[in-house]
Amino acid sequence: EAGVAQSPRYKIIEKRQSVAFWCNPISGHATLYWYQQILGQGPKLLIQFQNNGVVDDSQLPKDRFSAERLKGVDSTLKIQPAKLEDSAVYLCASSLGGSGNSPLHFGNGTRLTVT
Amino acid sequence: GESVGLHLPTLSVQEGDNSIINCAYSNSASDYFIWYKQESGKGPQFIIDIRSNMDKRQGQRVTVLLNKTVKHLSLQIAATQPGDSAVYFCAERETGNQFYFGTGTSLTVIP
Repeated sequence: EAGVAQSPRYKIIEKRQSVAFWCNPISGHATLYWYQQILGQGPKLLIQFQNNGVVDDSQLPKDRFSAERLKGVDSTLKIQPAKLEDSAVYLCASSLGGSGNSPLHFGNGTRLTVT
Repeated sequence: GESVGLHLPTLSVQEGDNSIINCAYSNSASDYFIWYKQESGKGPQFIIDIRSNMDKRQGQRVTVLLNKTVKHLSLQIAATQPGDSAVYFCAERETGNQFYFGTGTSLTVIP
């Protein structure tokens, strides 16, 4: 099966600019996650979708970050305006979800550098 | 060799030796745990998982042990190979299918 696709792979922007990341999950996966991974740390959950609804966005800095999954498939994550501390790898993951034990499958991420 | 999580985030082992990577998780209500391997420039890759009603699960060259009493998870890699060099993360699932990750352990295999 095709894996989780993310684009772009790399992005360099100046602080206060905006940026958007795109994710296409594995076909049939109802649950989609966005994680932020700062260098040397584990992935930190930003937001979780179940189909096109938000399940958990408690750790999303909502003053500058937004995410959507309008049709319950692809998702975009946006940062506006970016700060230096947003430099990180943004990982998208998907899973079958539901009540079963379904692991997350990750894309290779978008590496964001804010200068 | 053995890693004790946050205090020893790096582990070096000789090729062919066994590796043990440890992880302390935070939520006693977590019911599902996963070990991931992350190579440079790639996303985390699934290795093995275990449900909270089990205390041991074996895969190919890997074994996961779960001790719920002390909220501890370990990953054992048998006959470690150079291709096993990577950062290893444990993840715990809390209610609502939210997965939280540890800080990771960097494994270096010395040929």
